[in-house]
Amino acid sequence: DTAVSQTPKYLVTQMGNDKSIKCEQNLGHDTMYWYKQDSKKFLKIMFSYNNKELIINETVPNRFSPKSPDKAHLNLHINSLELGDSAVYFCASSQSPTDTGELFFGEGSRLTVL
Amino acid sequence: GNSVTQMEGPVTLSEEAFLTINCTYTATGYPSLFWYVQYPGEGLQLLLKATKADDKGSNKGFEATYRKETTSFHLEKGSVQVSDSAVYFCALSDSGNNDMRFGAGTRLTVKP
Repeated sequence: DTAVSQTPKYLVTQMGNDKSIKCEQNLGHDTMYWYKQDSKKFLKIMFSYNNKELIINETVPNRFSPKSPDKAHLNLHINSLELGDSAVYFCASSQSPTDTGELFFGEGSRLTVL
Repeated sequence: GNSVTQMEGPVTLSEEAFLTINCTYTATGYPSLFWYVQYPGEGLQLLLKATKADDKGSNKGFEATYRKETTSFHLEKGSVQVSDSAVYFCALSDSGNNDMRFGAGTRLTVKP
């Protein structure tokens, strides 16, 4: 059983398109995150949700909109895709936002914008 | 603000060599420190952690000691294996997982 699963794993699309990446966790965690990893492996937090409520929104263009229908799911929708959006996007979860315990990561979704 | 600086890679070693990946941090409080590992094609996994000064985290033969006086958390392993080839990330948090800051990652390649 995969603890944090993301789909799709690979996504190739044209500039200007709109796309979504889905994430689900079966760990019973309250908090979920989206991270962006660029081509140099630098990892940066984008969003954090706790019990379906947004608690972090880093400096991310508003073309990126997270949606959390329930605490086990956190989807990422991206409008008007740009070349610079090409990256690997990781979903993660943890028990609590204030805990400094382990983050559990999905396998990543590699987005390529042409 | 909080930040982590780790040695740039890539690092290439022969099997059974000694490994050190340096990590230093800047923090206003008393952070917890972590090493995560990313194997090819996978997400990050927690390798080890330490929550207070002088704590030593260890797992799978890897060790790191939380040094407050030098603000460091260097990763070491006495004898690396080909299967240790991966990207290693140092990270810190002093106010919860929402504030987890990652270093830039160090790619390790171990050759037989």
